[in-house]
Amino acid sequence: GAGVSQSPSNKVTEKGKDVELRCDPISGHTALYWYRQSLGQGLEFLIYFQGNSAPDKSGLPSDRFSAERTGGSVSTLTIQRTQQEDSAVYLCASSPRRQTGLIYEQYFGPGTRLTVT
Amino acid sequence: GENVEQHPSTLSVQEGDSAVIKCTYSDSASNYFPWYKQELGKRPQLIIDIRSNVGEKKDQRIAVTLNKTAKHFSLHITETQPEDSAVYFCAASMGNNAGNMLTFGGGTRLMVKP
Repeated sequence: GAGVSQSPSNKVTEKGKDVELRCDPISGHTALYWYRQSLGQGLEFLIYFQGNSAPDKSGLPSDRFSAERTGGSVSTLTIQRTQQEDSAVYLCASSPRRQTGLIYEQYFGPGTRLTVT
Repeated sequence: GENVEQHPSTLSVQEGDSAVIKCTYSDSASNYFPWYKQELGKRPQLIIDIRSNVGEKKDQRIAVTLNKTAKHFSLHITETQPEDSAVYFCAASMGNNAGNMLTFGGGTRLMVKP
């Protein structure tokens, strides 16, 4: 079936502008995550959505970052007043809920490469 | 919070040899440990995972071992092939409704020389 999709694949923006990144999770997956991968680095957790529960925003680096998930499916990550240090690949992942209620494997989208000039 | 350390950062092996990548974690509550392979410019792909109720899991040429007491887990690739060349990431998670996010290691760049 279709995997996680993200758009745009690449985004170049000027410092100070706002950007929106979109994620379409795998159909039926209840959990959705955003991660950031800076050049040559590992992945850094940003935010986590599970069903209709309040999101876990503990990884957001500043109040310029926000995310929402409408209808329990598509998610949008918004970065306001972008800075050069925001340049990175932003990855979205989704995860199914098992019968036990536990959530495990996460499947990643192709990412959005953000470049702030 | 959880902290995951991964070693080595780069690993070069000859085709056909074995490769071992090691990770340690800090939070004893972590109970799910996946490994991801990321080729250049591509998304991370889940290659194998292990839960804390088992000590070892194998899938063809790939195996993962977990030592809960020592809080470390390892990825073993046997009979390496050039197409195994990639960056490998380990991760740890509590795998429940609260705090299921993955904490990743820094990655290992594996190069398999033909």
